[in-house]
Amino acid sequence: QQQVKQSPQSLIVQKGGISIINCAYENTAFDYFPWYQQFPGKGPALLIAIRPDVSEKKEGRFTISFNKSAKQFSLHIMDSQPGDSATYFCAASSQGAQKLVFGQGTRLTINP
Amino acid sequence: DTAVSQTPKYLVTQMGNDKSIKCEQNLGHDTMYWYKQDSKKFLKIMFSYNNKELIINETVPNRFSPKSPDKAHLNLHINSLELGDSAVYFCASTARTNTEAFFGQGTRLTVV
Repeated sequence: QQQVKQSPQSLIVQKGGISIINCAYENTAFDYFPWYQQFPGKGPALLIAIRPDVSEKKEGRFTISFNKSAKQFSLHIMDSQPGDSATYFCAASSQGAQKLVFGQGTRLTINP
Repeated sequence: DTAVSQTPKYLVTQMGNDKSIKCEQNLGHDTMYWYKQDSKKFLKIMFSYNNKELIINETVPNRFSPKSPDKAHLNLHINSLELGDSAVYFCASTARTNTEAFFGQGTRLTVV
C-alpha cells in the first residue's frame, strides 16, 4: 500500500520557469511533511519541511503548499535553475512512528 | 566533517556471499535507520534503532541483520546475498521523531 503518492514521475522545465511537484497522502496521523532533494551518487538531503498547522512555507525559491482537508501537499520551485536538476522526494511521518514514508520520486530536469 | 558516513560506497559480490555495510554518525543523534533505494529510486525503510534498541523491522528477510554497538553506529549484515538484494542502501539519523533526517552517501550493492 503506497501511503504517499507523488506525481509526476519526471518533469522538464525551462530555466526561469516554475516547477511543481505534487503529493497526496492517506494516513491522517501524518504530521510532518518534508521534501528531500537527491543528486546522482548522493544521499537525499532535506530541502524544506512543513507541519500541518500552516498552509504554506517559503524558503527562498522553494515553497510548500499544504492542503490538510484534501490530504495533499506540493513543492513549487520558482525561477528554476539548471542546478535544481535532481530527484525530489516528498515524505511524511507521524509522531512516534520513527520512520519516513517516501513518495516515488520526481526526476526534475531544468533546461538551460 | 561528514555527519553520516557509510562504508563501503560500492560493493560488488557474488550470490551466496555474506557482506556488511558500516554506518557512523557524529551528530549525537539517538535514532538511526537503514533505507533501501531500488532501481526505480523508491526509498523504503528497513530498520530503525533508537539508542541501540530495535524499533522498526519493516518485514525485511531474516538474512538482513542490523547491529548497533552504540548509538553512533548502525551496521547492516546481509547473509546469503541474492540478486534481488542489489540496490543502494542508505543509513540515516535523526535527533528525534519528526525532525530532519540526515542521510549518508549510500552504498551501492551489486550482487552478480
